[in-house]
Amino acid sequence: AQTIHQWPVAEIKAVGSPLSLGCTIKGKSSPNLYWYWQATGGTLQQLFYSITVGQVESVVQLNLSASRPKDDQFILSTEKLLLSHSGFYLCAWSQDWGNQDTQYFGPGTRLLVL
Amino acid sequence: GDSVTQTEGLVTLTKGLPVMLNCTYQTTYSPFLFWYVQHLNEAPKLLLKSSTDNKRTEHQGFYATLHKSSSSFHLQKSSVQLSDSALYFCALSDRSGYNKLTFGKGTVLLVSP
Repeated sequence: AQTIHQWPVAEIKAVGSPLSLGCTIKGKSSPNLYWYWQATGGTLQQLFYSITVGQVESVVQLNLSASRPKDDQFILSTEKLLLSHSGFYLCAWSQDWGNQDTQYFGPGTRLLVL
Repeated sequence: GDSVTQTEGLVTLTKGLPVMLNCTYQTTYSPFLFWYVQHLNEAPKLLLKSSTDNKRTEHQGFYATLHKSSSSFHLQKSSVQLSDSALYFCALSDRSGYNKLTFGKGTVLLVSP
């Protein structure tokens, strides 16, 4: 069975500080990976997707970047946090490329920027 | 572009009553619709999905039918339980190529005893 792990569970960071969030999926080779952002009580917005190691595409520009250094790892980062970065960050995976494939979400990381 | 419209805000019901959460969508492509449920402080989980017109799909007592003629995919349950209290998202996947999901704003269902 596939398992998806995100770290850290939660972070409190200062405006202007750097950030790095991680996501690892086990039990699935060559998954499609996605980063989502959710404001408190809000909807989910897809930020990035990756279909293979080293390739990441941006969906929405939020002064964030993403990388896929390994087949099972997806990293979300920024050098300077903004207040608007606060929220719930979710990593998701899907098995096959295509619009009919279900995306499965990880447990998420809660970020509060002060 | 694609869009999803859901029942606004908060729906409050007493345990045992039926519920319908509305979802309509707009897309120029052939749609694939999902319902995700998110309990408090948890990640969203898939509840239902469908791309077949006029076919009812069911899971955990919830059901929905995709109606392409009316661009709708309403979520229903005949008798809600306390554990159904959660945030429900309707999502649309298009055929643009990279498996983009467009989510609605979400509907909070609150079930009281």
